[in-house]
Amino acid sequence: QVQLKESGPGLVQPSETLSLTCTVSGFSLTSYSVSWVRQPSGKGPEWMGRMWYDGDTAYNSALKSRLSISRDTSKNQVFLKMNSLQTDDTGTYYCTRARDYFDYWGQGVMVTVSS
Amino acid sequence: IQLTQSPSLLSASVGDRVTLSCKGSQNINNYLAWYQQKLGEAPKLLIYNTNSLQTGIPSRFSGSGSGTDYTLTISSLQPEDVATYFCYQYNNGWTFGGGTKLELK
Repeated sequence: QVQLKESGPGLVQPSETLSLTCTVSGFSLTSYSVSWVRQPSGKGPEWMGRMWYDGDTAYNSALKSRLSISRDTSKNQVFLKMNSLQTDDTGTYYCTRARDYFDYWGQGVMVTVSS
Repeated sequence: IQLTQSPSLLSASVGDRVTLSCKGSQNINNYLAWYQQKLGEAPKLLIYNTNSLQTGIPSRFSGSGSGTDYTLTISSLQPEDVATYFCYQYNNGWTFGGGTKLELK
């Protein structure tokens, strides 16, 4: 069955870089795209960026200067790196299988930006 | 495209017919989905392409709309439907609405 699982540090220092990994199973990264979505506590989700099935990427314009998404198809993994983190980057980060809509989601990883 | 959901909080009784609204700042061309999010869980896809029911979702959930105005309807509210509901458009970029929190009266 389709599964996605996020992993990474729960606490990041301000101005530091966040690195997250999404490990997928039950589908191929060369057939489906994967998006990263984040959600501050008590607020609506925000699309961050997308790794297309063909290896191309797309980013939210508000995050583009700080965000990088890559993948390793041999390991079924998609990676997120975002630099210059601030306190308002605190929230839950999800990876999702992406058609145009997101049909499967990981459980999410809570990231707190704090010193 | 910005999405505005209303109301932000809705109280209803078990068995009620419930309607949630989502309005886009531009034409969405029916590229609209609805998600249900229960406390502490990831969002769950209910409806895609305005009115297509995701596999495994109860038939009491339905979607409708066109242009800039879309609706999620729950025909008979059940206790397990207590959640926050988000609309999401994928016509031009990918954006979510702010959510409607549905609670039992």
